[in-house]
Amino acid sequence: SQQGEEDPQALSIQEGENATMNCSYKTSINNLQWYRQNSGRGLVHLILIRSNEREKHSGRLRVTLDTSKKSSSLLITASRAADTASYFCAAAAYSGAGSYQLTFGKGTKLSVIP
Amino acid sequence: KAGVTQTPRYLIKTRGQQVTLSCSPISGHRSVSWYQQTPGQGLQFLFEYFSETQRNKGNFPGRFSGRQFSNSRSEMNVSTLELGDSALYLCASSLAPSGINQDEQYFGPGTRLTVT
Repeated sequence: SQQGEEDPQALSIQEGENATMNCSYKTSINNLQWYRQNSGRGLVHLILIRSNEREKHSGRLRVTLDTSKKSSSLLITASRAADTASYFCAAAAYSGAGSYQLTFGKGTKLSVIP
Repeated sequence: KAGVTQTPRYLIKTRGQQVTLSCSPISGHRSVSWYQQTPGQGLQFLFEYFSETQRNKGNFPGRFSGRQFSNSRSEMNVSTLELGDSALYLCASSLAPSGINQDEQYFGPGTRLTVT
């Protein structure tokens, strides 16, 4: 079953605007990661936030994590046309026998219009 | 450093056949994970190998199998292909097993498998 569920499924904004994507998960996690995928290619890691962190920044990216609500959000500020891609959250949860498993959501498709 | 490489990039097979996909991780990475991506189900975890041992397995039938070699290269095999196996198969590598020690995963470009 899907651990992460992104919202919205699709988002269209004008260049320069901010884009916010949300992710909810179901179980306790070790960390939550965000990835970007351009048009059916491999995923690119964007940012990782640990379960004991509440907020993290990386360039134009800002991620928040609320473990009490089991949710995270990704904010991309001052968006550019090159940000057009699908964005996935991935929850790292303990899967037993000393192992952790990354479970991905279905993604948010972001379109940034020049 | 060279990135994760996957071969072949595109593959067309017929129902009932079997297929083997290959993944070469980033040099020094010992963990390799495989994912299946389809429009309907999204990204689904297949299995993970670390130091030639399967550490995790997703909820896929036994037709899906994998292995890892001593040089960390990995292969996955799908036997008795079904139409529903058509998907983008992604391989990812990391230094340590996924999730632990906050290690990010580095993805390859994927193998696009079409089953007819």
